[in-house]
Amino acid sequence: AIWMTQSPSLLSASTGDRVTISCRMSQGISSYLAWYQQKPGKAPELLIYAASTLQSGVPSRFSGSGSGTDFTLTISCLQSEDFATYYCQQYYSFPRTFGQGTKVEIK
Amino acid sequence: EVQLVESGGGLVQPGGSLRLSCAASGFTFSSYWMSWVRQAPGKGLEWVANIKQDGSEKYYVDSVKGRFTISRDNAKNSLYLQMNSLRAEDTAVYYCAREFGSWYAQYFQHWGQGTLVTVSS
Repeated sequence: AIWMTQSPSLLSASTGDRVTISCRMSQGISSYLAWYQQKPGKAPELLIYAASTLQSGVPSRFSGSGSGTDFTLTISCLQSEDFATYYCQQYYSFPRTFGQGTKVEIK
Repeated sequence: EVQLVESGGGLVQPGGSLRLSCAASGFTFSSYWMSWVRQAPGKGLEWVANIKQDGSEKYYVDSVKGRFTISRDNAKNSLYLQMNSLRAEDTAVYYCAREFGSWYAQYFQHWGQGTLVTVSS
């Protein structure tokens, strides 16, 4: 299985901040990486796929980058509705695996 | 609009069985891979199993192999997860997810609202 290390696990930030979340793979996965946002009590929602392609309807303040083993999710200007937990996920091989999650909380 | 509605969750004793269902609508169900993903209380996401469009291929996470069976009925636009020999560590919200992508490189494009399975005596 491909192991994923997502960091940080907790990120305290203020509205308007630029935040970055990292996801590192135990082996190369090309660009087969997705990012999801999950709010309390809700199902996850797809933000980005293929490492950097924004899902339809997702605000442009979200962006993704990376390939191989190192990936990044950036929120350029944090909005109140962005306080949530974010997960990376690889779909290069089975079993599909997720990062441990990053909770973005209000500072 | 894509809709995925899970049902069948509940309280079950260790060693017991449960069958989850996912009713799909708003898209051509038979054209998509489908998955089950779970989330234990207060924990992260864990992919459980998926199934190809025609049901000919199925994949499972190691922890459920031999205990869980994923299936689908394209005529009924429904996805299922038969869970046997349930353990306390199977307690989680189970999400049905529609995959999208190319060939076997598929991510989870749409999710249901989830159904809670609690394994406890």
